[in-house]
Amino acid sequence: DGGITQSPKYLFRKEGQNVTLSCEQNLNHDAMYWYRQDPGQGLRLIYYSQIVNDFQKGDIAEGYSVSREKKESFPLTVTSAQKNPTAFYLCASSIRDSLSNQPQHFGDGTRLSIL
Amino acid sequence: AQSVSQHNHHVILSEAASLELGCNYSYGGTVNLFWYVQYPGQHLQLLLKYFSGDPLVKGIKGFEAEFIKSKFSFNLRKPSVQWSDTAEYFCAVNDPRDDKIIFGKGTRLHILP
Repeated sequence: DGGITQSPKYLFRKEGQNVTLSCEQNLNHDAMYWYRQDPGQGLRLIYYSQIVNDFQKGDIAEGYSVSREKKESFPLTVTSAQKNPTAFYLCASSIRDSLSNQPQHFGDGTRLSIL
Repeated sequence: AQSVSQHNHHVILSEAASLELGCNYSYGGTVNLFWYVQYPGQHLQLLLKYFSGDPLVKGIKGFEAEFIKSKFSFNLRKPSVQWSDTAEYFCAVNDPRDDKIIFGKGTRLHILP
């Protein structure tokens, strides 16, 4: 079955360390997204990518970096510059064509905690 | 485990028609509830949210949703839709003690001009 795989499910980081969250999709989707969820808040967009080798900042990109070297992969790095990284991170993908009938798909998420 | 069910996968309406999109969740405890919208070619945006208080929540662009605890429902409504409301709508639930958010599969709304 096609879908989005995020790994790991739980991630712990020491202060001052960079950490990378994996997101892989086998849906052949062009667009991929990273969102952050904090307790009591809605999703906030971190970065998104419409095509390979191109990505744009979302609403809260500071302290994060991404790459899109392959269509199926969109890893997110939480850098030491992100002062409040503890959150639930959700990856999503969609077909770029707005006329398609495919919905946006979501991964199961990665929960990042700071030790 | 929490789950969210959206009853309609695809809804087609004419402009000025009234809209109601169904959303039911399965979770016995206190929940936060959300409706998100994704317009064609854009990313998800928050439409409205319910945390506590008045169960009738008003959001942007004339949308509202009513939390009915006894029915585990959080249906989205709009009295008169516009062509620009054509989008995909996602219902989501979150345990306030946790940060994980569970999404429904979405309802694609198509408004005929």
